[in-house]
Amino acid sequence: DTAVSQTPKYLVTQMGNDKSIKCEQNLGHDTMYWYKQDSKKFLKIMFSYNNKELIINETVPNRFSPKSPDKAHLNLHINSLELGDSAVYFCASSQVPVASYRFFGPGTRLTVL
Amino acid sequence: QKEVEQNSGPLSVPEGAIASLNCTYSDRGSQSFFWYRQYSGKSPELIMFIYSNGDKEDGRFTAQLNKASQYVSLLIRDSQPSDSATYLCAADYGGATNKLIFGTGTLLAVQP
Repeated sequence: DTAVSQTPKYLVTQMGNDKSIKCEQNLGHDTMYWYKQDSKKFLKIMFSYNNKELIINETVPNRFSPKSPDKAHLNLHINSLELGDSAVYFCASSQVPVASYRFFGPGTRLTVL
Repeated sequence: QKEVEQNSGPLSVPEGAIASLNCTYSDRGSQSFFWYRQYSGKSPELIMFIYSNGDKEDGRFTAQLNKASQYVSLLIRDSQPSDSATYLCAADYGGATNKLIFGTGTLLAVQP
């Protein structure tokens, strides 16, 4: 029944490590996103894929690399984790990329020690 | 810099009252506007969307849009303690891009 799912829900790791977050949607949507929400609740777009093609790549460090093996999956790999990467990462999807609402996954709370 | 601004609150209203949440946006090209509710520790969930000037009602919720003033609001009638959450306003970036710009949210506290 889950529309947008993410794993893991919590991720605690040391600085300098590499980690991945996985996302899957079963809504049949063509567009998927990664958002970062900081401690002040500010939700910021990081990446967007439409049918496996990267269409938004915000000013995000190169240490962050999204990968979309198919239009139902969008994973996020983070290299050399830093303290400032601690946040909640939300995956989302939408039916069309333009002017449509996003369905959000449950989020992954990343804590970098 | 395209922005969506909201008062962070907390906005405290008594149970049964009308809660009024406000949002302004800077991009005159924005066409679509969304209100999301986010409970603590949960993901944002869509409450309302509005594309045209005027009011749009859905149950206890009414979204209002005034493009001339670049202003969006959300009214919650008969507020319930279960409405206590952060409400995020979002506007599309306009043009060919497909970004949604989110405000930082208003924390609503409905007092029993």
